Amino acid sequence: EAQVTQNPRYLITVTGKKLTVTCSQNMNHEYMSWYRQDPGLGLRQIYYSMNVEVTDKGDVPEGYKVSRKEKRNFPLILESPSPNQTSLYFCASSLIGWNTGELFFGEGSRLTVL
Amino acid sequence: KNEVEQSPQNLTAQEGEFITINCSYSVGISALHWLQQHPGGGIVSLFMLSSGKKKHGRLIATINIQEKHSSLHITASHPRDSAVYICAVEAGSARQLTFGSGTQLTVLP
Repeated sequence: EAQVTQNPRYLITVTGKKLTVTCSQNMNHEYMSWYRQDPGLGLRQIYYSMNVEVTDKGDVPEGYKVSRKEKRNFPLILESPSPNQTSLYFCASSLIGWNTGELFFGEGSRLTVL
Repeated sequence: KNEVEQSPQNLTAQEGEFITINCSYSVGISALHWLQQHPGGGIVSLFMLSSGKKKHGRLIATINIQEKHSSLHITASHPRDSAVYICAVEAGSARQLTFGSGTQLTVLP
């Protein structure tokens, strides 16, 4: 089954404790991206990747890191989480190409930083 | 930076009604996405379009590039259509996306 898998789905952590949210897709998609969703602010793009070893900042990259060493994986790293990073996070992937870029989303990861 | 405006913010309809949700953007785009988010939180892509019109079942999406405007129509609405509908635009080849704030649709039986 074609899917985007995020882990963990739920996490409560404390300020400053490094954490990684994993994202994996099994559709051989070139494009992968991370978003956060906050009440009143909607969805905002954090980082995206057009292919292996190619990553770019979105609108809200501060406090986050990403890497794209393999095509299927795109982990989101919070080196020193802070309470303002409490949010619902989504990973998505797609093909790249005119009229073929339908986005496939993971189920979301709800992160609480105390 | 593209500004994306959706209207209405909230919409309540009776089952069977024809529904229209609108999306306007400020800067020329390469593609526009319509997404659906159910109360459980998962997001599903409904359409990706760069011109014209697309139809899938009871859903129709249109885009007018000159007017920088897109509409999502739902015919014969059903309570299971109740969800948040989100418009997102991408500009250029880099696939940076800007999202609208969403339209909360409630369809009453």
